Amino acid sequence: DAGVIQSPRHEVTEMGQEVTLRCKPISGHDYLFWYRQTMMRGLELLIYFNNNVPIDDSGMPEDRFSAKMPNASFSTLKIQPSEPRDSAVYFCASNRGRVSQPQHFGDGTRLSIL
Amino acid sequence: QQQVKQSPQSLIVQKGGISIINCAYENTAFDYFPWYQQFPGKGPALLIAIRPDVSEKKEGRFTISFNKSAKQFSLHIMDSQPGDSATYFCAVFNAGNMLTFGGGTRLMVKP
Repeated sequence: DAGVIQSPRHEVTEMGQEVTLRCKPISGHDYLFWYRQTMMRGLELLIYFNNNVPIDDSGMPEDRFSAKMPNASFSTLKIQPSEPRDSAVYFCASNRGRVSQPQHFGDGTRLSIL
Repeated sequence: QQQVKQSPQSLIVQKGGISIINCAYENTAFDYFPWYQQFPGKGPALLIAIRPDVSEKKEGRFTISFNKSAKQFSLHIMDSQPGDSATYFCAVFNAGNMLTFGGGTRLMVKP
């Protein structure tokens, strides 16, 4: 069974450019989460969706960040314009929506903004 | 926002030794406490979790101990192996299905 799939695995771009990160959750999972991981701040929840609807985006750092989930099998996290402080590893995770169900993480996108 | 304090930040253990990682929280919306394990270049993966209707849960070499009154829980890795070298995160549930993670503990098991 395929896990959570994220693309690209690595992204290097210049400051000011638009960045789009992609995620395909596990089939049948109705919750999708976007996290950011940095040395300074650890693993932070940015936003999560339930049945494709954003439920809590209080972790999104600025208006430069936006996330969408147009259907049950695809989500994007967009940063526009990007800044060097956005450099981090971004993870997508999904689960079936019962609290006791583990969140399954993808392998992340390592983003470097020059 | 919920604070989850994890200690130590890093830990070096000899092969065969016991690794102990601690976690303290302020509040939880749901009594279910997971530990996640993360290897370099990979996402975190659920290692073991406990519901506090029990004070301890054991799965193989991994044990969670829970102290509800102190709002603390810990992960013990018995007979630590080099393959256990990874970063470990405790987590606590906020409202709904939202996890707040501890800061992580980088474990190195020396052969």
